[in-house]
Amino acid sequence: NAGVTQTPKFQVLKTGQSMTLQCAQDMNHNSMYWYRQDPGMGLRLIYYSASEGTTDKGEVPNGYNVSRLNKREFSLRLESAAPSQTSVYFCASSGQSGNTIYFGEGSWLTVV
Amino acid sequence: TQLLEQSPQFLSIQEGENLTVYCNSSSVFSSLQWYRQEPGEGPVLLVTVVTGGEVKKLKRLTFQFGDARKDSSLHITAAQPGDTGLYLCAGVWGNYQLIWGAGTKLIIKP
Repeated sequence: NAGVTQTPKFQVLKTGQSMTLQCAQDMNHNSMYWYRQDPGMGLRLIYYSASEGTTDKGEVPNGYNVSRLNKREFSLRLESAAPSQTSVYFCASSGQSGNTIYFGEGSWLTVV
Repeated sequence: TQLLEQSPQFLSIQEGENLTVYCNSSSVFSSLQWYRQEPGEGPVLLVTVVTGGEVKKLKRLTFQFGDARKDSSLHITAAQPGDTGLYLCAGVWGNYQLIWGAGTKLIIKP
């Protein structure tokens, strides 16, 4: 019953530090996504991967990089964290039809 | 730029009252999804509406897709404290691209 698992749950970074958010899904889904959620702004797509080996920019990709390591795993990297990247990050996945998106529990990131 | 405006942003009502949440856009969507998100968790899909004019019911929740597939509403009858959460709508277009509303934070007071 794992679904989409993302780590870490909470992280505090100093400005300029780097970190990687890890995500794995066990539903054999082709598509995976990284979103950020900020108060009053809903979910904004950072990057997505339609299939293993492909990645595409979403609405707010600046300051982030991603890696689709294999079909199960999709990581998000902040190379030089900025306070504007303080947010809640959600990894998600969807199957062939893409009809339902399944979300992880979120990662709370604070950049000071 | 496609926008999906969701209203109200915040709603606090007493148990037993009815409420409606709206999602409006100038864009046509192939379908529209409604999610509920509880604190500390990711959003969970409630329903997908596909056909213009479609109405779907999920217990006390009624979802409607506008005839032109540009808007949708969520109506809750006799709200319960368990309905408390953040409700998100998402319009689907193109090659399964999603446009998200900003969300409605709903609090149902006992």
